[in-house]
Amino acid sequence: VQLQESGQGLVKPSGTLSLTCLVSDYSISGNDWWVWIRQPPGKGLEWLGYLYSRGATYYNPSLQSRLTLSMDTSKNQFSLKLTSVTAADTAVYFCARTKTMVTRYFEYWGQGALVTVSS
Amino acid sequence: DIQMTQSPSSLSASVGDRVTVTCQASQDIGNNLSWYQQKPGRAPKVLIYDASNLETGVTSRFSGGGSGTDFTFVISDLQPEDIATYYCQQYQSLPLTFGPGTKVDLK
Repeated sequence: VQLQESGQGLVKPSGTLSLTCLVSDYSISGNDWWVWIRQPPGKGLEWLGYLYSRGATYYNPSLQSRLTLSMDTSKNQFSLKLTSVTAADTAVYFCARTKTMVTRYFEYWGQGALVTVSS
Repeated sequence: DIQMTQSPSSLSASVGDRVTVTCQASQDIGNNLSWYQQKPGRAPKVLIYDASNLETGVTSRFSGGGSGTDFTFVISDLQPEDIATYYCQQYQSLPLTFGPGTKVDLK
């Protein structure tokens, strides 16, 4: 399983951050949770949310009002949109996959994409 | 939310030393805990899952233990390639949460 993030590297304050995770060598249509995690520079890890090919989506309550996760199984990719961004949203954003639906540790990770929020 | 704490926040040790990191959960998480290693500029890598199970392909110098609220992560024979930051993560309930990390470097 290989994951690769792509998207904007720079977003203006109050704008919308959009990222996509392309998954290779594995179908995202199965029974897996597909995850977004972020890490501000020099800081720890924060789980943002995850989604499942059958449509279920769960968000971190701290971001729920601003975050939307979606999936395009035809392209084997999933996406993140974060609205009304501020400098506090500057971070490396990782996509990942959990081990199983129940054992929700992060087995596979993308390399990460740095997104900077600045005017 | 389940809060995760780790101690120490950083430590310095010598090659060959035994290193122990502790992780505490704010409520009972059973054995639903994993440990990750993160090197600068890299994604985290899972080392231990279900508190004490070694992920496939990970060196047996790493081990984990504990259940409920108190957990430990041990490097039995510190090597230069182990220099990294280590995080615990609970998956008992949402939101999934991480500890703040323990930075391990060489003395």
